[in-house]
Amino acid sequence: DQQVKQNSPSLSVQEGRISILNCDYTNSMFDYFLWYKKYPAEGPTFLISISSIKDKNEDGRFTVFLNKSAKHLSLHIVPSQPGDSAVYFCAASRLNSGNTPLVFGKGTRLSVIA
Amino acid sequence: NAGVTQTPKFQVLKTGQSMTLQCAQDMNHEYMSWYRQDPGMGLRLIHYSVGAGITDQGEVPNGYNVSRSTTEDFPLRLLSAAPSQTSVYFCASSTPGRVREQYFGPGTRLTVT
Repeated sequence: DQQVKQNSPSLSVQEGRISILNCDYTNSMFDYFLWYKKYPAEGPTFLISISSIKDKNEDGRFTVFLNKSAKHLSLHIVPSQPGDSAVYFCAASRLNSGNTPLVFGKGTRLSVIA
Repeated sequence: NAGVTQTPKFQVLKTGQSMTLQCAQDMNHEYMSWYRQDPGMGLRLIHYSVGAGITDQGEVPNGYNVSRSTTEDFPLRLLSAAPSQTSVYFCASSTPGRVREQYFGPGTRLTVT
């Protein structure tokens, strides 16, 4: 049973427009969510996170929104740039449950077209 | 700092062979973990360690062994490789206060024939 779902395997966006990547989760015990970005032949890099006590977290061009009632989060990238083209992984964790590991989604490949 | 380093970058094994994937970090991170990435499957946790001498199983531990004798190193051992272990393997580390925001190594691409 997949606890973290990224239902869009790929997304194409024009440069300068907004990219919206979506993620759903099923485990109501998750209380901390992260987005990672991965370029080919490299390891994932941490991008942004959000605690369940918030509904929004912003870092430059990247904003993550959390809707707890819908068990849904989204990553907004504005404006999108060609260098944003990568695979984006959503991850979830139970922050207050000790060393519970991250659970990752399958990823969404973003292509930003110049 | 070199961050998280992994060796080798690529490896081809025959079924039944054994090998160790190396992982080292120079950031004095206590938390280290191993993931595998398969096409369409995301990242799945194999084993993790919260400090030297302490390891635990993740989601897909079968066929893999780990040990953590130092803070810096966290090797992953395949005792008898199988084609199902063909994958890209990532090692990651993080500080106790920011366990979830992990630093990943560049990965090892393993093919088992």
